[in-house]
Amino acid sequence: GAVVSQHPSRVICKSGTSVKIECRSLDFQATTMFWYRQFPKKSLMLMATSNEGSKATYEQGVEKDKFLINHASLTLSTLTVTSAHPEDSSFYICSAQGPNTDTQYFGPGTRLTVL
Amino acid sequence: GEDVEQSLFLSVREGDSSVINCTYTDSSSTYLYWYKQEPGAGLQLLTYIFSNMDIKQDQRLTVLLNKKDKHLSLRIADTQTGDSAIYFCAERTAGTASKLTFGTGTRLQVTL
Repeated sequence: GAVVSQHPSRVICKSGTSVKIECRSLDFQATTMFWYRQFPKKSLMLMATSNEGSKATYEQGVEKDKFLINHASLTLSTLTVTSAHPEDSSFYICSAQGPNTDTQYFGPGTRLTVL
Repeated sequence: GEDVEQSLFLSVREGDSSVINCTYTDSSSTYLYWYKQEPGAGLQLLTYIFSNMDIKQDQRLTVLLNKKDKHLSLRIADTQTGDSAIYFCAERTAGTASKLTFGTGTRLQVTL
């Protein structure tokens, strides 16, 4: 089956620093990748959709300058949380979708803690 | 707007059947999905149903869709302790490509 990995699985950083999270599709080419945020005991909130080689489309209320998304290749997308603050602490999950399919395959998630 | 609701918690005994319910508001939903999330992990796609279907069975899983009432359910037969997790329903609506709207999640606890 389709496998999606995320790195790191867990990161702790100081307030004001930037953190990069990687999402990789290991055995298929992901033409579209999605980034979600999940608060404790809450549902997933879609942050942005990125298509390979083009700019990401952000959902309403998500700051594109704070959450930088790059989808430079068909197997890798990155999410950079810039100038992180404690309120950015959350579980970030990516999903990947290949061509000619609408099924999203999810990564294992990255837990970000900002001190 | 899109709104997907689930009850927060369900407790069942091992061997019994579990039924997890989901209601949605968008009548233009094309596909509806069930995902499983174990603690600290991402989401695993369990099954899905197309909006013109009423029922779909896949081994221990049965999905029922009442499109008129906008009600979706997931039945797990012979529930095992390994089924303990959070279950999310999600809908995909026409015209939004692959954008999914997730429900609030139901925590299933399986007791011995």
